[in-house]
Amino acid sequence: EPEVTQTPSHQVTQMGQEVILRCVPISNHLYFYWYRQILGQKVEFLVSFYNNEISEKSEIFDDQFSVERPDGSNFTLKIRSTKLEDSAMYFCASSDGGVQYFGPGTRLTVT
Amino acid sequence: AQSVTQPDIHITVSEGASLELRCNYSYGATPYLFWYVQSPGQGLQLLLKYFSGDTLVQGIKGFEAEFKRSQSSFNLRKPSVHWSDAAEYFCAVGARSDYKLSFGAGTTVTVRA
Repeated sequence: EPEVTQTPSHQVTQMGQEVILRCVPISNHLYFYWYRQILGQKVEFLVSFYNNEISEKSEIFDDQFSVERPDGSNFTLKIRSTKLEDSAMYFCASSDGGVQYFGPGTRLTVT
Repeated sequence: AQSVTQPDIHITVSEGASLELRCNYSYGATPYLFWYVQSPGQGLQLLLKYFSGDTLVQGIKGFEAEFKRSQSSFNLRKPSVHWSDAAEYFCAVGARSDYKLSFGAGTTVTVRA
């Protein structure tokens, strides 16, 4: 069964550093999403991406964040200058316009 | 704006007993509703969805959910719980199938022998 994959599973970085979280969506899907879950809190929407552009973004998704689909298979989330409060589990999801399928997540720890 | 409330933070149930998890949503039009399950260290796995049609939907692992528009609810049920059902369960709502999802805070289910 096709699945969404994410790398790395855990990333530790220092405050102020740039990080790139990678996702490989399900191959025939056209809609891509990033969500995050701060420990003990709700899963929150960050951004959606369709047709090579951002279709919607939340208030959380400020200028420090960017997304890219650099090739036909990867979907990345970049955080330019990480803050302590960016520590969270980041989930990638993809869909064909129906159900969103989630990856296993990347746990980002900012120290 | 769409939102979801899961009133129960934690539920403990005996193996073999029935389970019901509550979900109330807020959305002005017909919502797209989902239940996801997250086991420790795992991602979010879809249990079932409601887009339209029959208000009682069947999902994987023996789960079902009923959409009640009059109560703005989408409660999840399982007749007989197995120890492997211990996990965190999230209800989510979207304005349409490709739209962003808003999640509830989740309900942690503990299964005792």
